[in-house]
Amino acid sequence: GEEVAQTPKHLVRGEGQKAKLYCAPIKGHSYVFWYQQVLKNEFKFLISFQNENVFDETGMPKERFSAKCLPNSPCSLEIQATKLEDSAVYFCASSQFPNNQPQHFGDGTRLSIL
Amino acid sequence: EDQVTQSPEALRLQEGESSSLNCSYTVSGLRGLFWYRQDPGKGPEFLFTLYSAGEEKEKERLKATLTKKESFLHITAPKPEDSATYLCAVQAPAGGTSYGKLTFGQGTILTVHP
Repeated sequence: GEEVAQTPKHLVRGEGQKAKLYCAPIKGHSYVFWYQQVLKNEFKFLISFQNENVFDETGMPKERFSAKCLPNSPCSLEIQATKLEDSAVYFCASSQFPNNQPQHFGDGTRLSIL
Repeated sequence: EDQVTQSPEALRLQEGESSSLNCSYTVSGLRGLFWYRQDPGKGPEFLFTLYSAGEEKEKERLKATLTKKESFLHITAPKPEDSATYLCAVQAPAGGTSYGKLTFGQGTILTVHP
């Protein structure tokens, strides 16, 4: 499609439950980036993919967070055993190349941990 | 580590009152500086990319400029519909540990009153 599509828009989970977020990049874009936006507009880079391969996972919390981009499927970000501090808006962005190209963002998934 | 600082945090203008937003950056090797607009409940919307000092880009009432240490977003005769959060982000070269991720400033919340 012409836009990055993220689902669901809002996800509510009890502390300790699993959360799974999805992202369909713009058609033809090979790179997918995940960011976490917390209070005061702070964006934190989590992980990026080149097609189905992890490109950069330096921002990814190792213990409870995992992500995949499989062929012919939306990319996913999964959080196991959620904590209150995981409450944030999670944005996905895509681009044709990793550099010198704007990243186009979806409208995010708001994750609320109760 | 790459750092981006935006000022002011919030800016209130009357319709037609021109002003500028500042984005100061420290980066190991600038691959690109990006300006985004974010409306409440939405993802960042791409506005401009600047690559080298002295470069300028314009779109309607917005003009972005770049020096070696900072970028300005000039807003000429703003309208209420220009009200949004404006985000600045830098991208370091791929390779090393950067691989194209964006480092964002905290944003400037612009409110334009009719």
